[in-house]
Amino acid sequence: EVQIMESGGDLVQPGGSLRLSCAASGFTLSNSAMGWVRQAPGKGLEWVSSIFGSSGSTYYTDSVKGRFTISSDNSKNVVYLQMNSLRAEDTALYYCAKYGSIMSPHYLDYWGQGTLVTVSS
Amino acid sequence: DIQMTQSPSSLSASVGDRVTITCRASQSVRNSLNWYQQKPGKAPNLLVYVASRLQSGVPSRFSGSGSGTDFTLTITSLQPEDSATYYCQQTNANPWTFGQGTKVEIK
Repeated sequence: EVQIMESGGDLVQPGGSLRLSCAASGFTLSNSAMGWVRQAPGKGLEWVSSIFGSSGSTYYTDSVKGRFTISSDNSKNVVYLQMNSLRAEDTALYYCAKYGSIMSPHYLDYWGQGTLVTVSS
Repeated sequence: DIQMTQSPSSLSASVGDRVTITCRASQSVRNSLNWYQQKPGKAPNLLVYVASRLQSGVPSRFSGSGSGTDFTLTITSLQPEDSATYYCQQTNANPWTFGQGTKVEIK
């Protein structure tokens, strides 16, 4: 059974850093791709970043490039999102999700329950 | 970036009604279009992928169609548990983008 669980969300001051973790089970990260999607309070969904386990290729939305880094520890089956230089507009519930296939076209077939990041002084 | 526009933004319909939600892309996304359902306080749930493929376990009253720039999600007989917000998403080009959502309420 596929399970995804995020952790690491917290209240952080503007300019601060936070590392989110996404623990996966029921499948192997090295053969999969994972993504982070966020949802600001009362707002819609926004794709943030993705990583392909086999190649290590990473992708980011423009607003987080240079500030966020996605990585994976395939031995632990965990994906991380290192978030630096946080801004108020990064406040959101961050979901980790699994790609249905590493081949295009892509879709996200399993999602965690999310971890809340609040950026405020 | 590819802009995804859903219509309507919200709708209210009765149990048993046929409901159609449209999603228009600012440029062709071929068939790289997915639909998700999100209930309050819950994570999104994949309904339809690659425009028209029904995800395993999703009731057959849901269906998707379209290609290129125009897509639809249809619920043939609305049920009380379908009350939710529905999002389309294109994955043809980075950055992936979502529509703004369509909130479906039951009368």
